[in-house]
Amino acid sequence: AQKITQTQPGMFVQEKEAVTLDCTYDTSDPSYGLFWYKQPSSGEMIFLIYQGSYDQQNATEGRYSLNFQKARKSANLVISASQLGDSAMYFCAMREFSGYSTLTFGKGTMLLVSP
Amino acid sequence: NAGVTQTPKFQVLKTGQSMTLQCAQDMNHNSMYWYRQDPGMGLRLIYYSASEGTTDKGEVPNGYNVSRLNKREFSLRLESAAPSQTSVYFCASSTRDRTTGGYTFGSGTRLTVV
Repeated sequence: AQKITQTQPGMFVQEKEAVTLDCTYDTSDPSYGLFWYKQPSSGEMIFLIYQGSYDQQNATEGRYSLNFQKARKSANLVISASQLGDSAMYFCAMREFSGYSTLTFGKGTMLLVSP
Repeated sequence: NAGVTQTPKFQVLKTGQSMTLQCAQDMNHNSMYWYRQDPGMGLRLIYYSASEGTTDKGEVPNGYNVSRLNKREFSLRLESAAPSQTSVYFCASSTRDRTTGGYTFGSGTRLTVV
């Protein structure tokens, strides 16, 4: 069963607008972490933001925020004031912390920011 | 600079040839991983090493072997390359810290098997 689902293969947004990239997850582990990574055309994987399952507040990192809705098992990435440099592939990932587990990725969403 | 170093960055192999992808980290992480990335598939785990001296299969281990040489180094070997192994390969390392537990990735190896 797929643990991480990203339903948007591609998204378009105009510069300076906000955009939300969707991510839903599936786990029965009460202790887990949710991650977003950015992969620009150069190919490297860049860590953006982290949300722990026990964190009371939504995570924020500069223009990135994570809209964490635990009951709905969703962890959407919100990018405010989009910039041309935000054009990239974005991956949602999850790691379960009870026992040892590895990072499981969604299939990604390609974001294109237009002027 | 601290991080994860992968070599080579690019490689073209003929079907049936063998090669080893090298990975080294200087972050004193216990765990290391090999992923492959294919279009539309995200990153899929090939093998991982939770700690020095241990290795385990991931989601797509067939056709690969790994060696955890020491705490710093984790290599991935293709014994007889096939066109289906054309992909971008990423090495990563991590702590087991539950406060973040995120991975640090290498820059990737683009492998083409013809």
